[in-house]
Amino acid sequence: QSVLTQPPSASGTPGQRVTISCSGSSSNIGSNTVNWYQQLPGTAPKLLIYSNNQRPSGVPDRFSGSKSGTSASLAISGLHSEDEADYYCAAWDGSLNAVVFGGGTKLTVL
Amino acid sequence: DVQLLESGGGLVQPGGSLRLSCAASGLTFSSSAMSWVRQAPGKGLEWVSAISSSGGSTYYADSVKGRFTISRDNSKNMLYLQMNSLRAEDTALYYCAKDFRFLEGSFDYWGQGTLVTVSS
Repeated sequence: QSVLTQPPSASGTPGQRVTISCSGSSSNIGSNTVNWYQQLPGTAPKLLIYSNNQRPSGVPDRFSGSKSGTSASLAISGLHSEDEADYYCAAWDGSLNAVVFGGGTKLTVL
Repeated sequence: DVQLLESGGGLVQPGGSLRLSCAASGLTFSSSAMSWVRQAPGKGLEWVSAISSSGGSTYYADSVKGRFTISRDNSKNMLYLQMNSLRAEDTALYYCAKDFRFLEGSFDYWGQGTLVTVSS
């Protein structure tokens, strides 16, 4: 079981808006920033969102992140077929003194 | 362009040892904190270890503490992971990653990974 909890799957149709949740605790999300990764099949993960809601250069503004209390969310608007991938949240856990990841959410574009 | 190239993976018996290497280029390596992240076949991401830019601070996941050692050679732009007392559950693709911000769980560059298989 992962320290951060994500739904195992999510889906949407092209053009739709989907959100993926990430639930943690006071020792990780509650007191530290959240990051999101996209992993396309057979490739290394890619940083999508850092510091809760910041996009690295080159990441489309269709991707956005938010955090409230001990939970965070990734939103993808105007869904594209190429967004079909696994998405992971991550944060530092001050109690474990470790980086913790969510179990990942497989996004299917119908 | 930043490139991280892992090597050293392979098949090893339970209880054995392996040393992974990561060659970095296209970045100021001596100013970059680095981490190892692994992914078991068909499973999610698991952070393994991190090291500060100078090498003076190291951190480990509980699952590898006491068995794995992270180190770096800034003169060679190299990151290492010495893995001892390997177990079947250590079987995974091991990624070398550059920390965007140290100890925040943000990694902005990743290698393609090197596969470690622990089996008799």
